Amino acid sequence: EAGVAQSPRYKIIEKRQSVAFWCNPISGHATLYWYQQILGQGPKLLIQFQNNGVVDDSQLPKDRFSAERLKGVDSTLKIQPAKLEDSAVYLCASSLPKAGTGRLYEQYFGPGTRLTVT
Amino acid sequence: AQTVTQSQPEMSVQEAETVTLSCTYDTSESDYYLFWYKQPPSRQMILVIRQEAYKQQNATENRFSVNFQKAAKSFSLKISDSQLGDAAMYFCAYRIPFFSGNTPLVFGKGTRLSVIA
Repeated sequence: EAGVAQSPRYKIIEKRQSVAFWCNPISGHATLYWYQQILGQGPKLLIQFQNNGVVDDSQLPKDRFSAERLKGVDSTLKIQPAKLEDSAVYLCASSLPKAGTGRLYEQYFGPGTRLTVT
Repeated sequence: AQTVTQSQPEMSVQEAETVTLSCTYDTSESDYYLFWYKQPPSRQMILVIRQEAYKQQNATENRFSVNFQKAAKSFSLKISDSQLGDAAMYFCAYRIPFFSGNTPLVFGKGTRLSVIA
């Protein structure tokens, strides 16, 4: 099966500019996650969607970050305006727990988008 | 809040030798899941092994095995017969069970493993 797709892979912007990242989860996966991975740290959840509804966005800096998942499939994460501290890899992951598959609980990750804010 | 701690920022191992990566976690839950993920340079994160907290038997996947000590809240990863392709960042992660709904992973800061030929 096709994996989680993300684009762009790399992006360099100046502070105060805006940027958007796109994620296409594995077909049929109901849950989609956006994680932020700052250099030298583990990924941290920004937002979680279940179909097209938000389950958890408690760690999303809502004054500058926004995300949507139209039609419960693709998702877009936007930053406006960007700050230097937003430099990180933004990972998208998806999952669909299915009884009996033995793959319960697994999250599949995309390759990430590396954002550099100068 | 749940936290995951990896105290070894970097480790190295000779090819064909064995290495153990450490992880401790803090939680008030009695049922949960623990994972080790591998993130090769510029490549996506993949699941290496997982452990259900209610299982006493340590999980094993080929050359990868874990030492799960629930009372000590410790979850170490042992890589046997290390190969050059094992070089990567390794993240320990925690997740509460599915019946609470799909839940995100809580990650440690990672351990960078180098394999020396």
